[in-house]
Amino acid sequence: AQTVTQSQPEMSVQEAETVTLSCTYDTSENNYYLFWYKQPPSRQMILVIRQEAYKQQNATENRFSVNFQKAAKSFSLKISDSQLGDTAMYFCAFMKRLGTSGSRLTFGEGTQLTVNP
Amino acid sequence: NAGVTQTPKFQVLKTGQSMTLQCAQDMNHEYMSWYRQDPGMGLRLIHYSVGAGITDQGEVPNGYNVSRSTTEDFPLRLLSAAPSQTSVYFCASSYLAGVSSYEQYFGPGTRLTVT
Repeated sequence: AQTVTQSQPEMSVQEAETVTLSCTYDTSENNYYLFWYKQPPSRQMILVIRQEAYKQQNATENRFSVNFQKAAKSFSLKISDSQLGDTAMYFCAFMKRLGTSGSRLTFGEGTQLTVNP
Repeated sequence: NAGVTQTPKFQVLKTGQSMTLQCAQDMNHEYMSWYRQDPGMGLRLIHYSVGAGITDQGEVPNGYNVSRSTTEDFPLRLLSAAPSQTSVYFCASSYLAGVSSYEQYFGPGTRLTVT
């Protein structure tokens, strides 16, 4: 079974600064996806960024980028130029593909990020 | 497209009562699933379905039943609610295969309190 660990329950950052959220995972799989989801106070789960395990290049989406270290099973999220709207709970998630049986998402415990003005 | 919809948004039950959380999607997704979210534990998979008539258990299925009679709907039933089932419940759907099948679409969630 896969496990996902987020060791930072809470973090804070000043507006316009950069913050990095940590995530480690454990798996014996070789092909998988990793994700960061954002959950604002509205509770809606919003996909921030994804990384395919077979890709060596780190994924980037505007101000969001990841540092994917496959051998170390580490998947951190960097938010640049933090904005007040980035305040949310962030979940790291691991997805194992099961073909016709769908897929399995395993979530970490979450990191509450607060962006201060 | 409405995406994934869930009803109700909030519900309070007494111990032993039963209820059904509704989930519907209009994207013709084959795969649908239910998660519960508890503080400090992330989201955990309760049940899932890969198509009409096919369901299976996830990580925490005890106390919950599901059925899938249509592609669009995937209701979650609590037969005899317990305080341990107080949680926020999310429904999600996705394609089963293809280049975009990695992306799960989540509903807005249902906050359930069992007293």
